[in-house]
Amino acid sequence: AQSVTQLGSHVSVSEGALVLLRCNYSSSVPPYLFWYVQYPNQGLQLLLKYTTGATLVKGINGFEAEFKKSETSFHLTKPSAHMSDAAEYFCAVSDKGNQGGKLIFGQGTELSVKP
Amino acid sequence: DGGITQSPKYLFRKEGQNVTLSCEQNLNHDAMYWYRQDPGQGLRLIYYSHIVNDFQKGDIAEGYSVSREKKESFPLTVTSAQKNPTAFYLCASTQLRNTEAFFGQGTRLTVV
Repeated sequence: AQSVTQLGSHVSVSEGALVLLRCNYSSSVPPYLFWYVQYPNQGLQLLLKYTTGATLVKGINGFEAEFKKSETSFHLTKPSAHMSDAAEYFCAVSDKGNQGGKLIFGQGTELSVKP
Repeated sequence: DGGITQSPKYLFRKEGQNVTLSCEQNLNHDAMYWYRQDPGQGLRLIYYSHIVNDFQKGDIAEGYSVSREKKESFPLTVTSAQKNPTAFYLCASTQLRNTEAFFGQGTRLTVV
């Protein structure tokens, strides 16, 4: 069965610092890959996704992620953190044969941004 | 505006009672999904439906039931058989063969 591992349940950065949230998946066939953001007591909003093509994917709010097949990774980065980036971030995968809503999620990483 | 509406936002239930969570979408999406979120565990799939009058169990379907009588509606019933129902429940929808899922704002269920 597929699984997703997010390294670090809590990450804290200073405002203006680099944000790096790590995600690794287990699958012999590269799946579709997603990053979602969740603010307290809210639903999930899609940040970016990788399906095919260019392995560096740009998303909303200045985030980007790079698919590395050899490392089975899809780490999320942002060059300069903003206070408004404080939220919980989820990495998720879906099999290419499935529809986009049948997702397997990592356990989430809570990002704190210090002034 | 198009979107997914979940209601109520907060729900309290006594032990032994069934309760139904509402999910309505006006995005004309074919597929709908229910996820359960617990702290530190991410989201887990409860049930999903790709067409009206058809639905499939997800990874944690025990103690839950659903119906899909209309394309826009996918209510979830948490039955008394669910041993630990206190959680945050999220509904999502997608257009078939589309890779992006849209989520509702969630319902927080607490058993008292």
